[in-house]
Amino acid sequence: EDKVVQSPLSLVVHEGDTVTLNCSYEVTNFRSLLWYKQEKKAPTFLFMLTSSGIEKKSGRLSSILDKKELSSILNITATQTGDSAIYLCAVVPGAGNNRKLIWGLGTSLAVNP
Amino acid sequence: GAGVSQTPSNKVTEKGKYVELRCDPISGHTALYWYRQSLGQGPEFLIYFQGTGAADDSGLPNDRFFAVRPEGSVSTLKIQRTERGDSAVYLCASSLVGSQAFAYNEQFFGPGTRLTVL
Repeated sequence: EDKVVQSPLSLVVHEGDTVTLNCSYEVTNFRSLLWYKQEKKAPTFLFMLTSSGIEKKSGRLSSILDKKELSSILNITATQTGDSAIYLCAVVPGAGNNRKLIWGLGTSLAVNP
Repeated sequence: GAGVSQTPSNKVTEKGKYVELRCDPISGHTALYWYRQSLGQGPEFLIYFQGTGAADDSGLPNDRFFAVRPEGSVSTLKIQRTERGDSAVYLCASSLVGSQAFAYNEQFFGPGTRLTVL
């Protein structure tokens, strides 16, 4: 059965710290891995990683895909209180027009001032 | 431009009642998805529409749940004979669907409807 596992489930840090969130997956016919940030209700898209784009960076956030280890990490440097959120990892499996994402449970990040 | 909108934002109902949840996708997005998210869980896929048709409804938990998208835009998720276990946030997302050469088209989420079944 396809699955996505995220760790840690929750994390509390102080402003300015650097954090690394982990996502591992077991899926058939991997296509891409996605990171989302969920603050209240709606997840917002952060990165998409594929075989041809294994590293992405945007400001203080960066992500790397390790296809050999079937995993990805999301790094946040110089954390701010506004980074407090649940970070969700999802994988797109299968071929063709399958758009059904397999989601992890998320990592709940709290950044204290 | 306007994002995905969902109404109502909150819905409280009694066990056994019928509810409808509405999703307005981003204009021009042909793909529409419904998810259910319980506290402490990731989103759980329910159904995916491509245009007016349900391309994949394998996530609907039972026959009390069904969804329509009659004109290929607005979608309604309908739940009959609600049960307490149906309480969750129901998320809708939409995306453009490009050629099959693309691995994925970014899904834009609405704010969700929080359903509480008493």
